[in-house]
Amino acid sequence: AQSVAQPEDQVNVAEGNPLTVKCTYSVSGNPYLFWYVQYPNRGLQFLLKYITGDNLVKGSYGFEAEFNKSQTSFHLKKPSALVSDSALYFCAVRSGQTGANNLFFGTGTRLTVIP
Amino acid sequence: DGGITQSPKYLFRKEGQNVTLSCEQNLNHDAMYWYRQDPGQGLRLIYYSQIVNDFQKGDIAEGYSVSREKKESFPLTVTSAQKNPTAFYLCASSLRQLTEQYFGPGTRLTVT
Repeated sequence: AQSVAQPEDQVNVAEGNPLTVKCTYSVSGNPYLFWYVQYPNRGLQFLLKYITGDNLVKGSYGFEAEFNKSQTSFHLKKPSALVSDSALYFCAVRSGQTGANNLFFGTGTRLTVIP
Repeated sequence: DGGITQSPKYLFRKEGQNVTLSCEQNLNHDAMYWYRQDPGQGLRLIYYSQIVNDFQKGDIAEGYSVSREKKESFPLTVTSAQKNPTAFYLCASSLRQLTEQYFGPGTRLTVT
């Protein structure tokens, strides 16, 4: 069975400090991993993805994520948080196996950056 | 949200009425998807379509129907059989099945 866990419903961080939003996954075969951000009453915006290659993936707005196969994790990071980063963040995974169709989402982590 | 439009942004209906949510994309994407978002539950897949005139049920298809007559359009009908239709509905598309999905701005449906 495929699943995604975002263990923290809420993350608070001071502006200028580094931030981490955690994600662990379970999937058959090689994982395709994604991070999305959602602002209030809006659709999701794609931030970054890991398909293969370098374990450190860089994405939009200064975000990056590190793929760790042994820990089945794909944590989202940013060196210096901005107040405008406050939003709801979703991790998602799908199997790279042929015939795998669905993208599975975590329940989301609400990030609040405190001025 | 660019390239994918959903209308209307807010929709109100009485219980027992069918309602159709619009989704259009001009990205020339092959695959399109409908998700439902409820507080604290993340996104759940309702239906998806990999190609025109073909679609498959997702995890929570009961009470919903779709059509894919044109590549750029994937309307979702919420029928009176859907027991708890009040939710935020998100449409998405992707170039191919395994590439990243791009989302529309969503439609918030309230049924009373």
